[in-house]
Amino acid sequence: DVVMTQSPLSLPVTLGQPASMSCRSSQSLVYSGGYTDLHWYQQRPGQSPRRLIYRVSNRDSGVPDRFSGSGSGTDFTLKISRVEAEDVGVYYCMQGVHWPPYTFGQGTNLEI
Amino acid sequence: EVQLLESGGGLVQPGGSLRLSCAASGFTFSTYDMNWVRQAPGKGLEWVSLIDLGGSNTYYADSVQGRFTISRDDSENTLYLQMNSLRAEDTAVYYCAKGRWLDDWGPGTLVTVSS
Repeated sequence: DVVMTQSPLSLPVTLGQPASMSCRSSQSLVYSGGYTDLHWYQQRPGQSPRRLIYRVSNRDSGVPDRFSGSGSGTDFTLKISRVEAEDVGVYYCMQGVHWPPYTFGQGTNLEI
Repeated sequence: EVQLLESGGGLVQPGGSLRLSCAASGFTFSTYDMNWVRQAPGKGLEWVSLIDLGGSNTYYADSVQGRFTISRDDSENTLYLQMNSLRAEDTAVYYCAKGRWLDDWGPGTLVTVSS
């Protein structure tokens, strides 16, 4: 199975400051056609997960533009340009290329 | 608006069975693959199973293969997960999620396996 490794596991941030988290896969996530099925999910405290970014860098509807995704191959990053209080929660990356199974990272806990 | 609502969770003894349901609305259910994903207390996310649109193909995590069965009823816009031979390690919140890329998620239903 493809192993997804996120870092850091805990990310203390200051409101209004930028934040960045990493996700690395044990195999390349590029498949035929040049697509990369790497997605990011946000789980706020007490809530179910919500997808933020699909295919590396595409923001879902309603996701603020302070969130951005980048990367290629095995190395991916989620950035928040200016952290707001509502961004607190755990962020997971997930690969959808080498499945089954889909695999998630351990999560990065963003805390103020 | 997409809505997914899981039900059927509860307390069950080890070795027991439970059937989860996920009622879908706000989209054309029959045209989407559907998934179950679980989260043990205080832990991360674990993909459990996928059923493709039409229900012809099903896929499972090794941890549940042979014990869980995913199915769907497109006439009722409902996704199911039949869970047999339950173990303590199956204790988790179970979420249904829409689409190959887990576009939308329900609020989840808690399954507790304990004597």
